[in-house]
Amino acid sequence: SYELTQPPSVSVSPGQTARITCSGDALPKQYAYWYKQKAGQAPVVVIYKDTERPSGIPERFSGSTSGTTVTLTISGAQAEDEADYYCQSADISGTYRVFGGGTKLTVL
Amino acid sequence: QVQLVESGGGVVQPGRSLRISCAASGFNFSSDNMHWVRQAPGKGLEWVAVISHDGRYKYYADSVKGRFIISRDNSKNTLYLQMSSLRPEDTAVYSCARDYWSDGGNWFDPWGQGTLVTVSS
Repeated sequence: SYELTQPPSVSVSPGQTARITCSGDALPKQYAYWYKQKAGQAPVVVIYKDTERPSGIPERFSGSTSGTTVTLTISGAQAEDEADYYCQSADISGTYRVFGGGTKLTVL
Repeated sequence: QVQLVESGGGVVQPGRSLRISCAASGFNFSSDNMHWVRQAPGKGLEWVAVISHDGRYKYYADSVKGRFIISRDNSKNTLYLQMSSLRPEDTAVYSCARDYWSDGGNWFDPWGQGTLVTVSS
């Protein structure tokens, strides 16, 4: 079955730039989405269609794509950005959804 | 407001069955595809199944195929997941989510808060 690969953890100091990658063979053909999940809360999308930011999401969140890898960038990370981040996409057919394993972002 | 509320979780023995529900409100439920996603304790998100808006098409993750059945009752604005032959590794919080379409893309929004299913003897 199709898989998306993320690093388990990323750590930055406040004000630094955090980058979280997600790799998958179908990413050149299928959009990627990024979700932020804080403990005990439902996930919230922070990037859709690889690079688009929903209304209400701070401008410091951005997305990029290159080949089979998509990247979530948080420029000037803040304490409230500390959370688990998941990429999500679909298999090549677009039928089956898949999540990456998640990345725990620590800001300290 | 748009809201999804799950119910029906609990403790069930391995090999037994359980049905969980998701009540939708605040949007035109019959127009949207719906998903189930689960999260085992301390683990990541796992997509489980999707059903088309009219119930005609259903797709499952390999891990649950042949054991779980997704269904919906549009007259009751309710989504279901019938789980059979349950295994300890099915223990998770099960959340329903709408397949939200906007600007040429589609993602999960909103999510319910989830219902905990524990498979244990």
